[in-house]
Amino acid sequence: QQPVQSPQAVILREGEDAVINCSSSKALYSVHWYRQKHGEAPVFLMILLKGGEQKGHEKISASFNEKKQQSSLYLTASQLSYSGTYFCGTVDSWGKLQFGAGTQVVVTP
Amino acid sequence: KAGVTQTPRYLIKTRGQQVTLSCSPISGHRSVSWYQQTPGQGLQFLFEYFSETQRNKGNFPGRFSGRQFSNSRSEMNVSTLELGDSALYLCASSLAGHSSYEQYFGPGTRLTVT
Repeated sequence: QQPVQSPQAVILREGEDAVINCSSSKALYSVHWYRQKHGEAPVFLMILLKGGEQKGHEKISASFNEKKQQSSLYLTASQLSYSGTYFCGTVDSWGKLQFGAGTQVVVTP
Repeated sequence: KAGVTQTPRYLIKTRGQQVTLSCSPISGHRSVSWYQQTPGQGLQFLFEYFSETQRNKGNFPGRFSGRQFSNSRSEMNVSTLELGDSALYLCASSLAGHSSYEQYFGPGTRLTVT
């Protein structure tokens, strides 16, 4: 079952903050976040593992609440380059990675 | 390091035909996953292969099948194409599996079924 992302879309001005939420009805092993720009392949942002470990290489932070099976991605002091569609992916105990429908983020000057 | 490559990049097929898509993962990566992307549906998981074995499968009909070769290259086959199969098909490779390793996506194959 796909995770549910919210909001579906958000428009920001440069420098503003936003939060993208991701929730699942199943127990999760890890949560992935990816960003896809128009006409390009999705690019890895971050993995959050059960137990608190995080792996990522972008200046974008995220949290993972294992008990609530929820994750949030925080876009802080947004830049024009943050525009794109953000996908969360959840991994269940079987190791299956499934993505949400995506959140479209538009950052304007 | 070369990225994930997919061939062909574009394909036009007629309803009822079959199609085979190919994916070459990053060198050293043993896991290959396939996704279908359509507007509004996000990334729908098709299947994952690891060391030539299908490890996980999504909720797609049996017309969708795949395989992985000993060099980790993977192919996806869709038989008896339907108009609804028109989509961008993405493959992604990772070192081991989904849970703890990032996925590296290829550019995709754009399939149009007429």
